[in-house]
Amino acid sequence: AQSVTQPDIHITVSEGASLELRCNYSYGATPYLFWYVQSPGQGLQLLLKYFSGDTLVQGIKGFEAEFKRSQSSFNLRKPSVHWSDAAEYFCAVGSNDYKLSFGAGTTVTVRA
Amino acid sequence: DTAVSQTPKYLVTQMGNDKSIKCEQNLGHDTMYWYKQDSKKFLKIMFSYNNKELIINETVPNRFSPKSPDKAHLNLHINSLELGDSAVYFCASSQDHAAGGDTQYFGPGTRLTVL
Repeated sequence: AQSVTQPDIHITVSEGASLELRCNYSYGATPYLFWYVQSPGQGLQLLLKYFSGDTLVQGIKGFEAEFKRSQSSFNLRKPSVHWSDAAEYFCAVGSNDYKLSFGAGTTVTVRA
Repeated sequence: DTAVSQTPKYLVTQMGNDKSIKCEQNLGHDTMYWYKQDSKKFLKIMFSYNNKELIINETVPNRFSPKSPDKAHLNLHINSLELGDSAVYFCASSQDHAAGGDTQYFGPGTRLTVL
């Protein structure tokens, strides 16, 4: 069965600084990888996803993620965060048994 | 033009009651899901339906019964509510279930509080 680990429970970053959120997955085959964002009181919104091809994936809101098979990682990055990026971020892995497995999430706080 | 909608947004009820949460998607998707997000924000799949057929049924108490009257709707009925059922319940949909990489679109969630 697949699983996802997000090692950082909470990250605080200054507005304008760069952000990197870590994600490690466990899955026997080629994974389908996703990053979702959940703003306070809202549902989840897809930021980006990786299936195959270029290992650097561009998403919405200026986010990107890099798939590294050798490290089983799919880290999310943003060069310059905005106050509106304060949210909960979830990494997820999809498999061919129809399931999407989520990590525990990373809370991002943006300070002025 | 809400893609995936849920009602109600908030639900406060007493232990032992029976309640339902409704979900509708207007994306024309074939597959719908229910997730439970606990107080630590951990998201776990509960059920999935594809074209009104149950395809995922995780280890969920049988007090929880999903019903899909058509492929645009997936309702969740909960009998004999318990304190531990308090959580945020998310509905989601995707075009297909066969591809593990299908993007799932989430509703805004229903916050259930059992007193």
